[in-house]
Amino acid sequence: NAGVTQTPKFRVLKTGQSMTLLCAQDMNHEYMYWYRQDPGMGLRLIHYSVGEGTTAKGEVPDGYNVSRLKKQNFLLGLESAAPSQTSVYFCASSFSRGGLTDTQYFGPGTRLTVL
Amino acid sequence: KQEVTQIPAALSVPEGENLVLNCSFTDSAIYNLQWFRQDPGKGLTSLLLIQSSQREQTSGRLNASLDKSSGRSTLYIAASQPGDSATYLCAVKGGGADGLTFGKGTHLIIQP
Repeated sequence: NAGVTQTPKFRVLKTGQSMTLLCAQDMNHEYMYWYRQDPGMGLRLIHYSVGEGTTAKGEVPDGYNVSRLKKQNFLLGLESAAPSQTSVYFCASSFSRGGLTDTQYFGPGTRLTVL
Repeated sequence: KQEVTQIPAALSVPEGENLVLNCSFTDSAIYNLQWFRQDPGKGLTSLLLIQSSQREQTSGRLNASLDKSSGRSTLYIAASQPGDSATYLCAVKGGGADGLTFGKGTHLIIQP
């Protein structure tokens, strides 16, 4: 049981380049989330999904797109990277059926630098 | 808009002390509150989840309380150990399927 995994762990992009971050979970969780963590800002929700084939916007969705084609995977895309998207990106998942199933499990993060 | 504040931002105490970390939130209409631990360069590890109907939760040396009406939660760590050194994050979940709103964390150092 690997939990939540993220690929890649590190990446350096040039302004205008595109990339996709992959999140995978093997816990059969319905809900998946993408957050970014910046110094002095805390973690902020980018997008989330409540099940296969669904996505919704979070607090800071601009410049990002997401897809949930399979229940176990949640992809975060940057179409045209900007220096303001330099951050650490975390994926999380949960059952979210009430009570302790709401506990979110986080991946190890992807450190992205945009030059 | 929900805002979560954690006090203090940093704390350094000798090993063995009991300590309290504070978390406050502006909108009391929460579904649950979660405490996480984050080690440097790592992801977040869930410590405790308190549902809005609960007053406290305990796990080992950790005890978290929730006073929803006043918008406050505390994390009590008993008999602190150097291995407890980390950043502790408080997060609240509102109604519906939204994600968590996080505080900026308390950076805790336990001196051997």
